Amino acid sequence: DAKTTQPPSMDCAEGRAANLPCNHSTISGNEYVYWYRQIHSQGPQYIIHGLKNNETNEMASLIITEDRKSSTLILPHATLRDTAVYYCIVRGGDYGQNFVFGPGTRLSVLP
Amino acid sequence: ETGVTQSPTHLIKTRGQQVTLRCSSQSGHNTVSWYQQALGQGPQFIFQYYREEENGRGNFPPRFSGLQFPNYSSELNVNALELDDSALYLCASSTGGPNTGELFFGEGSRLTVL
Repeated sequence: DAKTTQPPSMDCAEGRAANLPCNHSTISGNEYVYWYRQIHSQGPQYIIHGLKNNETNEMASLIITEDRKSSTLILPHATLRDTAVYYCIVRGGDYGQNFVFGPGTRLSVLP
Repeated sequence: ETGVTQSPTHLIKTRGQQVTLRCSSQSGHNTVSWYQQALGQGPQFIFQYYREEENGRGNFPPRFSGLQFPNYSSELNVNALELDDSALYLCASSTGGPNTGELFFGEGSRLTVL
């Protein structure tokens, strides 16, 4: 079972920031938070990951709370092409551990 | 573009048949994983291969088997197909190891079992 809970769907206006929450209250000390997204009929795409510090790359920012029990993925200026299912995944640092995908959040960016 | 290619993109089989799906990993990636994604659900882990050996398996029966070749390409074989095997099968490559395990997915092979 997935170790994360996410809202099933969210809407966001084009050009505004999209803030996608994720709860992972049972996360262990050596487990990372990963975010992927899946645009319709394509394979999942890696977005970002982090352990405890906030992370930023060209696609998004990841904000992890100090107790690491939740995180937020931020798309700073959402476009229509960001419409997708977003998956938050907790994965250990031990080699061989697989990614457990939950149902994710379906983000709809509206014009 | 992730550099991971899968074939075929679509195929139709009948119940009881066998199917082989193929995956070419991104250059330099020594680990390949296979996932099954049923309609409307997130991908489910089938198994992972590292240096030609299975290195982790999800809750799938033995009729799901795989191979990894010296060039790190991979095959997923499913025997005795059932209707519930209809799904998108995703291959993902990675370099493995802690903190470098982001997966690079292919576009998938969509299998329909009639």
